[in-house]
Order: sequence, then C-alpha cells, then structure tokens
Amino acid sequence: GAVVSQHPSWVICKSGTSVKIECRSLDFQATTMFWYRQFPKQSLMLMATSNEGSKATYEQGVEKDKFLINHASLTLSTLTVTSAHPEDSSFYICSARDAGRGGTGELFFGEGSRLTVL
Amino acid sequence: QKEVEQNSGPLSVPEGAIASLNCTYSDRGSQSFFWYRQYSGKSPELIMSIYSNGDKEDGRFTAQLNKASQYVSLLIRDSQPSDSATYLCAVTQGTPLGRLYFGRGTQLTVWP
Repeated sequence: GAVVSQHPSWVICKSGTSVKIECRSLDFQATTMFWYRQFPKQSLMLMATSNEGSKATYEQGVEKDKFLINHASLTLSTLTVTSAHPEDSSFYICSARDAGRGGTGELFFGEGSRLTVL
Repeated sequence: QKEVEQNSGPLSVPEGAIASLNCTYSDRGSQSFFWYRQYSGKSPELIMSIYSNGDKEDGRFTAQLNKASQYVSLLIRDSQPSDSATYLCAVTQGTPLGRLYFGRGTQLTVWP
C-alpha cells in the first residue's frame, strides 16, 4: 500500500511555543490530505482538510488561527500548533488519499505524532 | 460532524471464537464504509472497506452493510490474540472524497 510518513513521532514543548508536524506521501501524490486529532481513549476527530495550493478547510469548532495548515506541494502538508497549551496535548495523525486509486475514499495514515505540552 | 456510533465494549472473546462488531451511522448520504484496527499508541490500519449492501469477505474478516438500516458490521472468525485491538468504524460523508468520520471504537480482547 501507499506510504504516508509523519515527523516528528514525539514532541515535547513548553506552553506558549509553536510546534510544526510534517506529513509526507512517499510514493504517491496527494492533492488532499487530512489531519486528525485523537485524545486518550477517544476516537479520531477530523480537524481539517489540507488542499494543495489553496487554503485548508477546517471542521466546525477547530480554530484555524491556532492550527495552521500548509500544503505547499503534492507530497507535503504541515500542521503548526501555535501557542500550544497543555490542552493541545494529543495524538495528531495525518492521512492522504492516493488519487491514482480512484474514488473509493481509501485513506492511508501516517504513523502519528504525539504532542505533549508542558 | 455527523454521528457514527459503536459499542465501546470492551468485547472479550476466547481464541477461535467469532467476534462481532457493530456500527450505526446517521447520515444516509454516506457512501463508503471502513473498518480500521488500531493498536494502542499506533495509527489506524485499514482492515476492510465496503461500498454496497451485502457481505464482503476477506480472509477471516467479513464486513456487512445495510444502508436501509444504516448499519455496518465486522465479523472476525477464528479470533486470535493478535486481533486484540480497538476497531474503528469510519464512514465518508460529503466532499472532498476521503473525509472520514470515525466512531469511538470497540476494544476487543481475544484471550487464549
């Protein structure tokens, strides 16, 4: 299957700092990527849809000024958590759809990035 | 976000038994349905996808979809301890294609 890579896997930061998470599609081009957040023992919550070359589309209740998304190329999307606070500590997971596989909606997930804000 | 409901469990079955996982969804416009398996601390991995009413079998796994009842299920035959994980039901809603909405997951434990 297609490979999606995230970096970093783990990050610990101080409250008030910003953290950038990268999501790369390694063997396919992804015009659209998706960012999810998962709190302990909760399900994955879709945060936003990242669109190559245009603005991201955010889900209701997600602060676009706090979670900055950039999708500058067909293989890279970044999520920046700005002015992070302890309540932002979570497991952030990106996913991408291989357009070459047609319109089935099958997504490939990155390994996830665990953010801890002290 | 529309709702995707799953029994949170935990569901516990003995090795070799059939594990049955259920999911209901609220949006009748949902078109694609997926079952993911997630081990603790890891990202989800796709187990099954199903797009039309009826059954779809892949090895020990069978997905069942009933759009009229807005219900999708996953059966795991000959359950193994390695199947112990959280199983997430996911549906696509709206556009763009690929926006997935997940249930809370059902925690499955298969004991030897």
